[in-house]
Amino acid sequence: DGGITQSPKYLFRKEGQNVTLSCEQNLNHDAMYWYRQDPGQGLRLIYYSQIVNDFQKGDIAEGYSVSREKKESFPLTVTSAQKNPTAFYLCASSPRWRGRNEQFFGPGTRLTVL
Amino acid sequence: SQQGEEDPQALSIQEGENATMNCSYKTSINNLQWYRQNSGRGLVHLILIRSNEREKHSGRLRVTLDTSKKSSSLLITASRAADTASYFCATGKGEGQNFVFGPGTRLSVLP
Repeated sequence: DGGITQSPKYLFRKEGQNVTLSCEQNLNHDAMYWYRQDPGQGLRLIYYSQIVNDFQKGDIAEGYSVSREKKESFPLTVTSAQKNPTAFYLCASSPRWRGRNEQFFGPGTRLTVL
Repeated sequence: SQQGEEDPQALSIQEGENATMNCSYKTSINNLQWYRQNSGRGLVHLILIRSNEREKHSGRLRVTLDTSKKSSSLLITASRAADTASYFCATGKGEGQNFVFGPGTRLSVLP
């Protein structure tokens, strides 16, 4: 999975709880991304970060928060404000240099709200 | 939106046959990429084609890009059961810009 790890693989949450999904990369990539994928659907961008200590909202940021304190790490917190959090969450990174901007994906975390 | 839209949504073929998937998009792009996703896994980058390129090959994969029609196609030749996966196109406007992924084509290759 290209040097990107996500944990845990499966996560169960009770309604009203915040949970944090981990994403770590050892590829020395500047950019990192969080996507949400619902069954049979494509990927929707939640948040992205092009550099340490900076991040931007994607298309569906409401109910989510992130931090980028280290280049290697981009954790995503799913808050209780997210109305329908059950989904497959994918983290990706990209080198963003010399015209190379393909994304390398982690294996994903499947979040289920009970 | 510059979202890519793959067509067909699902495709079922016999092993050894060729599989063709199409991607259409709405606005001008700098590059277009194809990714594969096996069930329940992350996406794997297959190939990138830039807006000034018309065709690109990688092993059994052939990608074409027609910027006048705002469309791309992915051809997988001599398909194998292991090619069974979902295939996504992602369009990008260039460095510093994010990608937009289409809903994907689910390919089933029957042995």
